Amino acid sequence: SYVLTQPPSVSVAPGQTARITCGGNNIGSKSVHWYQQKPGQAPVLVVYDDSDRPSRIPERFSGSNSGNTATLTISRVEAGDEADYYCQVRDSSRDHVVFGGGTKLTVL
Amino acid sequence: EIQLLESGGGLVQPGGSLRLSCAASRFTFSSYAMSWVRQAPGKGLEWVSAIIGSGGSTYYADSVKGRFTISRDNSKNTLYLQMNSLRAEDTAVYYCAKDRTYDITGYSYWGQGTLVTVSS
Repeated sequence: SYVLTQPPSVSVAPGQTARITCGGNNIGSKSVHWYQQKPGQAPVLVVYDDSDRPSRIPERFSGSNSGNTATLTISRVEAGDEADYYCQVRDSSRDHVVFGGGTKLTVL
Repeated sequence: EIQLLESGGGLVQPGGSLRLSCAASRFTFSSYAMSWVRQAPGKGLEWVSAIIGSGGSTYYADSVKGRFTISRDNSKNTLYLQMNSLRAEDTAVYYCAKDRTYDITGYSYWGQGTLVTVSS
């Protein structure tokens, strides 16, 4: 089955740039979606189809995808960005949806 | 604002059954695929099952195949998950999620979740 690998944690100072990676075999050939989840809340879509952003999401959130790694980039990080972030793809070979293990973003 | 309201969670004994519902509103329900995604306490997100807009195709994670059944009633704007032969490892918050399209892609909206606890 298709596996997505994320670092368990990423730490960044306010105002800096956070980069959260999502590794998978030839993930560049798939559409990657990213979700933000704060404690006690449901996930929220922050990036879809690798690099598109829902209208309600700030421009500080962006995404890229190439080769074996997709990346969620959060610019000018704020305290309110502290959350768990998950990547997700569709494994078309099995018609399954796959989530990465999640990355906890800590704002120092 | 799009709304997804899950119900039906609760405490059930191992081997028991439970039926979850998700009432959708403020969008054309039949035009979108829907999924159930769960999250065990302190753990990450796990996809459970998906159904396309017409209900004509359904998909299941290996961990629930043969025990869970997803369905939808487009006349009632409601998604269901029938869960049989429940196990302790099925304990989780179950989220209803609306896809961005008619088929399975990514999830633009999520409900607030309903807790299922499997324990004797």
